[in-house]
Amino acid sequence: RKEVEQDPGPFNVPEGATVAFNCTYSNSASQSFFWYRQDCRKEPKLLMSVYSSGNEDGRFTAQLNRASQYISLLIRDSKLSDSATYLCVVNWGPDKLIFGTGTRLQVFP
Amino acid sequence: NAGVTQTPKFQVLKTGQSMTLQCAQDMNHEYMSWYRQDPGMGLRLIHYSVGAGITDQGEVPNGYNVSRSTTEDFPLRLLSAAPSQTSVYFCASSYQTGLGQETQYFGPGTRLLVL
Repeated sequence: RKEVEQDPGPFNVPEGATVAFNCTYSNSASQSFFWYRQDCRKEPKLLMSVYSSGNEDGRFTAQLNRASQYISLLIRDSKLSDSATYLCVVNWGPDKLIFGTGTRLQVFP
Repeated sequence: NAGVTQTPKFQVLKTGQSMTLQCAQDMNHEYMSWYRQDPGMGLRLIHYSVGAGITDQGEVPNGYNVSRSTTEDFPLRLLSAAPSQTSVYFCASSYQTGLGQETQYFGPGTRLLVL
């Protein structure tokens, strides 16, 4: 099993739709979880951290399920500007982060 | 603050050539790292440093060297370039390591083509 697995997509959704991505991780000792956003030919940028209790930032909601070892990202009311690749990131020990291969989202008018 | 800067933006090398990818940050971050990104592979950690004078290997260190003589700079050296090292290289930094891994700030990347 890969350390971090994501559905590569693409997810093609209309503006205003709700879309959800899941990411599974294999290291049960992982403690830190993040979602990063990467635009085409750009560097990744932090979208949000994922906390045990779940967290919300505007239209974005992140959840952590430790028992099943997955994290999720929900985007409500999708905008054209949400089109990007979303990277799931999990710590691997104290000094390393493992990145998923990313899920591509395309929002169309 | 300039954040994390990388030079060059693009580079073409011939097999066997050596070069250094530069990375600098002005945020006084202790933790710096190098990743490569290849299609379908995600970002893979090459080397990282938890502070000046301290470096360690990541997932894919072969063919690369690093040093960290100052907090600000973390150059990546390709000793003898190979076509398999064609990739996009990202440098990143963060305030601290540990379980409370902070936000990673990435540089704009260096696109390397090895012929």
